[in-house]
Amino acid sequence: SQQGEEDPQALSIQEGENATMNCSYKTSINNLQWYRQNSGRGLVHLILIRSNEREKHSGRLRVTLDTSKKSSSLLITASRAADTASYFCATDSTSGTYKYIFGTGTRLKVLA
Amino acid sequence: KAGVTQTPRYLIKTRGQQVTLSCSPISGHRSVSWYQQTPGQGLQFLFEYFSETQRNKGNFPGRFSGRQFSNSRSEMNVSTLELGDSALYLCASSLRGASLTAEQFFGPGTRLTVL
Repeated sequence: SQQGEEDPQALSIQEGENATMNCSYKTSINNLQWYRQNSGRGLVHLILIRSNEREKHSGRLRVTLDTSKKSSSLLITASRAADTASYFCATDSTSGTYKYIFGTGTRLKVLA
Repeated sequence: KAGVTQTPRYLIKTRGQQVTLSCSPISGHRSVSWYQQTPGQGLQFLFEYFSETQRNKGNFPGRFSGRQFSNSRSEMNVSTLELGDSALYLCASSLRGASLTAEQFFGPGTRLTVL
């Protein structure tokens, strides 16, 4: 089963609103990364947060990590139509397996 | 710096055939990972190579194999194709070496359709 589970599975908002999506995972991690994927294309790396970090910002993106709850959230502020995409979290467990486990993704639709 | 490139971008095969996909990582990246993406199973890890050595593999049958060359380019091979192998195959490269923490950069993927 997937290490990460995103919530919600789908989200539809108006342009200018904020979008929040959540990711939960099961084992201890070294880091967690968020990716964006436009329809049927490759993934674009958005942000990496290490296990000893609690919050990170990049432009309109804000990521939080709560290792005690094994969860992370991605906030996109002032959303734009161009933010319409699927968003995935990926975790790299501490077991040293050199593999990232991806969540199921949140499909975000931003309406103009 | 050029990004991760994958060839071919689209491929149509029939059941029972085999296929080889190619991935050229970003210059200087020695770690290459492969993923399979399907609507039903999402993104599944196939394997990861570093300096021509497979460091880990996911839960896929032996029909899925890969290799990495001395220039870090990687290939994956799927033999005896099945309908369920139809998917987007993504390659990612990173600077990840002994340290596990590094960003992965993905290629555009190869869309494989098995008829």
